[in-house]
Amino acid sequence: GNSVTQMEGPVTLSEEAFLTINCTYTATGYPSLFWYVQYPGEGLQLLLKATKADDKGSNKGFEATYRKETTSFHLEKGSVQVSDSAVYFCALIRNSGNTPLVFGKGTRLSVIA
Amino acid sequence: EAGVTQFPSHSVIEKGQTVTLRCDPISGHDNLYWYRRVMGKEIKFLLHFVKESKQDESGMPNNRFLAERTGGTYSTLKVQPAELEDSGVYFCASSQRQGSYNEQFFGPGTRLTVL
Repeated sequence: GNSVTQMEGPVTLSEEAFLTINCTYTATGYPSLFWYVQYPGEGLQLLLKATKADDKGSNKGFEATYRKETTSFHLEKGSVQVSDSAVYFCALIRNSGNTPLVFGKGTRLSVIA
Repeated sequence: EAGVTQFPSHSVIEKGQTVTLRCDPISGHDNLYWYRRVMGKEIKFLLHFVKESKQDESGMPNNRFLAERTGGTYSTLKVQPAELEDSGVYFCASSQRQGSYNEQFFGPGTRLTVL
């Protein structure tokens, strides 16, 4: 079946530190991959996406590259800010169309000044 | 434009009681999804409406859960009778219908606690 595995949290970093949150997936076919973010008190927001192998999604200084050979989509940011504190979810859609998202468990990030 | 809204934001009920959650999607979005996150676990898909029709309800855990979307606008998710394991955060999302993948916009969720 289709599944997403992401690193367990919580992750605590100092401001301006480098962030990596690992995400690997299992899927049939060629899924599209996503990172969603949930800030405190808010709903899930799409952070970035990649729809085919070797695509790089980027937004707000975050990046993730779709690696088919390692079935991975790790999230990175070079210099985190306090405002990046949130829960991050890796997700996939198994094929095109309006099918449901398959999520990982989420990783809570806390950035301290 | 208003985003996806959900009501209530929190609900605390006792085992055996009934609770109804409501989701108002973004106006004009034909697709409406329900998801649930049990504490510490994945966000899991429950069901998918296209307008008023249930497109996929494979994620519904059992027959204590009933979802409706009368008129293809807002949706309700009723849990009757509630059990302890139903506790979690229930998310609703909506998307446009046309074309290939369309971004799903999520509501803030309803936190349900069953005591």
